[in-house]
Amino acid sequence: AQSVSQHNHHVILSEAASLELGCNYSYGGTVNLFWYVQYPGQHLQLLLKYFSGDPLVKGIKGFEAEFIKSKFSFNLRKPSVQWSDTAEYFCAVNARRDSSYKLIFGSGTRLLVRP
Amino acid sequence: DTEVTQTPKHLVMGMTNKKSLKCEQHMGHRAMYWYKQKAKKPPELMFVYSYEKLSINESVPSRFSPECPNSSLLNLHLHALQPEDSALYLCASSQTGVITEAFFGQGTRLTVV
Repeated sequence: AQSVSQHNHHVILSEAASLELGCNYSYGGTVNLFWYVQYPGQHLQLLLKYFSGDPLVKGIKGFEAEFIKSKFSFNLRKPSVQWSDTAEYFCAVNARRDSSYKLIFGSGTRLLVRP
Repeated sequence: DTEVTQTPKHLVMGMTNKKSLKCEQHMGHRAMYWYKQKAKKPPELMFVYSYEKLSINESVPSRFSPECPNSSLLNLHLHALQPEDSALYLCASSQTGVITEAFFGQGTRLTVV
């Protein structure tokens, strides 16, 4: 069965620090991977996604992620975080069941950026 | 319009009440989803509708009853809930087939007393 794991549950950084959040997935076939962000009191928003092609994916707000197939990883990065990046970040994988598809989320990483 | 609208935003209900959560989207998406999110936890899938038909039920108790009356609307009927059902209920929609992007509503925060 497909699954996603995020090992960093809480991350605290100062503004301008670099960010890397880990995401590992388990699936032997074609994978579609996502990073979603949930700002306090707001709905889940898509940051970026990987389907095929260039393994380095750029998303909104300066975020990027690298798909490394050999490591089953899809880590999220940002060179310099801002206070406004304080949020919860979820990695997700597109899973198939019969003829339907669903998103399976990792446990999430809560990021706190200190001014 | 890339919005998924959920009503109500907050709901408090007793264990003997019957209530409904509503979700609406006008993006032409034919796949719609209900997720449940407990505090500090990831969203957990409950139901998937594809072309207005229930395609995935993740072994959800029968006190939760989904309904998709048309391609824009998704309801979740609640009856005889337990306090442990208190959570944020999220609706989402996407194109059918491989999910290229799912759009989420802001959720209904449900408290069962």
